Amino acid sequence: AQSVAQPEDQVNVAEGNPLTVKCTYSVSGNPYLFWYVQYPNRGLQFLLKYITGDNLVKGSYGFEAEFNKSQTSFHLKKPSALVSDSALYFCAVRDIANFNKFYFGSGTKLNVKP
Amino acid sequence: GAVVSQHPSWVICKSGTSVKIECRSLDFQATTMFWYRQFPKQSLMLMATSNEGSKATYEQGVEKDKFLINHASLTLSTLTVTSAHPEDSSFYICSASPDHRVGNTIYFGEGSWLTVV
Repeated sequence: AQSVAQPEDQVNVAEGNPLTVKCTYSVSGNPYLFWYVQYPNRGLQFLLKYITGDNLVKGSYGFEAEFNKSQTSFHLKKPSALVSDSALYFCAVRDIANFNKFYFGSGTKLNVKP
Repeated sequence: GAVVSQHPSWVICKSGTSVKIECRSLDFQATTMFWYRQFPKQSLMLMATSNEGSKATYEQGVEKDKFLINHASLTLSTLTVTSAHPEDSSFYICSASPDHRVGNTIYFGEGSWLTVV
């Protein structure tokens, strides 16, 4: 079965500092991994995805994520956090039988303080 | 780019009544759409897969008779919460994609807040 885990409920970081939001995965077969962001009372916005290729994936709003097969991780990173990055972040993995079906992590609330 | 729209964004209904939420793909056709449920401060839980022209596929633990899903066209799926109760109050989100290739992107609707009083 496909699953992802986000070990941190909340991450606090000061504006301008680098941020990392952690995600580990457990899959049978090739992992298809995604990061989505959710602002309060809104739907999900796509940030980036790893399907194949380079382990460092660059996405929207300056975010990037590093796929690490040996550690089964797909951590989300940004070199310099903005207050406007404060939101709920979800890591997700695709079902291998139906590519449009997702399984989400529990979410990590990112707080960026001025 | 591809857009998925949900309606209504907010709905309040009385306990015991039914409420319908629509999910539309605005500029593409989708043979499947997905419905998720999100409780406050929790993750999204997949409820069901909506299949155009056939019955929906429900995840384990989701009541089929409670959450009726109809996918009557390639651009519209509806979720009807029947005989709603306060515990059904939640944020419901749908998703869809223009294709089923492994590298495609899924698009999510803005979500619908349901409050049952």
